[in-house]
Amino acid sequence: AQRVTQPEKLLSVFKGAPVELKCNYSYSGSPELFWYVQYSRQRLQLLLRHISRESIKGFTADLNKGETSFHLKKPFAQEEDSAMYYCALRGYAGTYKYIFGTGTRLKVLA
Amino acid sequence: GAGVSQSPSNKVTEKGKDVELRCDPISGHTALYWYRQSLGQGLEFLIYFQGNSAPDKSGLPSDRFSAERTGGSVSTLTIQRTQQEDSAVYLCASSLGWRGSSGANVLTFGAGSRLTVL
Repeated sequence: AQRVTQPEKLLSVFKGAPVELKCNYSYSGSPELFWYVQYSRQRLQLLLRHISRESIKGFTADLNKGETSFHLKKPFAQEEDSAMYYCALRGYAGTYKYIFGTGTRLKVLA
Repeated sequence: GAGVSQSPSNKVTEKGKDVELRCDPISGHTALYWYRQSLGQGLEFLIYFQGNSAPDKSGLPSDRFSAERTGGSVSTLTIQRTQQEDSAVYLCASSLGWRGSSGANVLTFGAGSRLTVL
C-alpha cells in the first residue's frame, strides 16, 4: 500500500539555522515524490518535485530509495519559510493515486 | 479559467442535511482529485477522476459521500445526511494528467470549501 509519513507535526527553528523536514514513504515501485507548501491564507502549491532535482527558494530534496525517504532541506531558514509543508507521493495502485502526508508546520523564529 | 475554482467557499449546515460542493478545474486538465483537510489529519484522499476512466473512489469514507464529474470538467462532491465529523476543508485539485509531458502531474489546488456541520 502507498503511504507517506511525516513524523513531525511542528518544527521550530531560529532564523539562519538549518532546517530538515522529514518524509518517508512506502511504495513498491518507482514513485514520483513532491513537496507542497501552504503559506498562511494561501492555496496549497507545489514547492518542488524529485524528478526536477531543482532548488526552489533555497530548498532541496533528494530521493533516497534505500531509506525510502525524501527529506526537505534548507541550509539557512528565513522567517518567510514559515508555512505548512506536505510531502506527496504519486504512484500506481490500480490508478495513479496521489497521496499526502499529514504535514509539518514549520515555524521560523526571529 | 486561470485557476481551480471551488464553491461555496464557506458552508454552514445542520446535522442531517445534504451538501454539494463544486469544483471547476483548469481547462484542459484531465485529472481531478478531491481531498479532505482537517487538523492533525493532513490531506485525506477522497476520489480521483482521470479523463473518461472510472473514478477511483477508494478514499470516500462512507456511502454518504459521492462525487461526479460531468463532461470531463466540473465536479460535484455530495455529502448526504451530514455529520459533525464531516466538518473540514474540502480541497479540489487538477492536473494535466498522464500525458507524459513534464509537469503533467503537478497539482493545482483550489482555495477549498470550508464545511461546518452544527
